[in-house]
Amino acid sequence: GESVGLHLPTLSVQEGDNSIINCAYSNSASDYFIWYKQESGKGPQFIIDIRSNMDKRQGQRVTVLLNKTVKHLSLQIAATQPGDSAVYFCAERGGANNLFFGTGTRLTVIP
Amino acid sequence: DVKVTQSSRYLVKRTGEKVFLECVQDMDHENMFWYRQDPGLGLRLIYFSYDVKMKEKGDIPEGYSVSREKKERFSLILESASTNQTSMYLCATAARPMGYTFGSGTRLTVV
Repeated sequence: GESVGLHLPTLSVQEGDNSIINCAYSNSASDYFIWYKQESGKGPQFIIDIRSNMDKRQGQRVTVLLNKTVKHLSLQIAATQPGDSAVYFCAERGGANNLFFGTGTRLTVIP
Repeated sequence: DVKVTQSSRYLVKRTGEKVFLECVQDMDHENMFWYRQDPGLGLRLIYFSYDVKMKEKGDIPEGYSVSREKKERFSLILESASTNQTSMYLCATAARPMGYTFGSGTRLTVV
C-alpha cells in the first residue's frame, strides 16, 4: 500500500527565517502531490500542488520541490511569519485517484 | 470559491446512539469524501462518493455508512456510536480527484 510520511512531527523556526517541511512517499506511480495547511480548529486548506512531470513549483512565499528519484517532497516557506504556524500535510494521488495524506508536521513560528 | 459546510462544529453523543454528520457543498462537484483525523494517524478515508447514490468504501469503513441522495449533500452515519469513534471528522469535495476542498470539521465526542 501507499505510505506517505514526514521526517519530523514538529518544527520550530524563528520569525523571518525560512522553513522546510519534508515528506516521503512510497508509490513511485503517484502523479500528483499537494501540500495542505491546517490551522487550529479549521479544515485543511490547499497551499500548492505539483505534478510528477515537474521538479519545482513556486507560489507566493512557498515553493514545493519534488525529487522522484528518492520519492521525496518538500515545502519551503520563505520569511516565515506567525500566521504560518499550523500543521502541514502532504498528499499524493495514487492509482485509485484518491489522495493519501501524511500524518502532518506542526510548524511553530517563534516571534 | 467552493464552500463546504459541515453542519456541526462540535457534537457530543452517547455510546450506542445513531449519529448523522452532514456535509453540503455549494458547487456542482461530483466527488465527495469523508475522513477522520486522529493525532499521529493523519487523515484516514472512511467513505467517498463519485456521484449521487454511489458510494465506495475507503480505508476504515467499519462502523460507518454514508448517504448521497443529492449531489450537494453527503452524509456520514454512525450506526451505533462507540467511544473509539471519538474524532475529528472532515468532509471534502472535488470536481475531479485533485485538490480537495475541506470543510471546517466536526469534532465528535462519544461518551
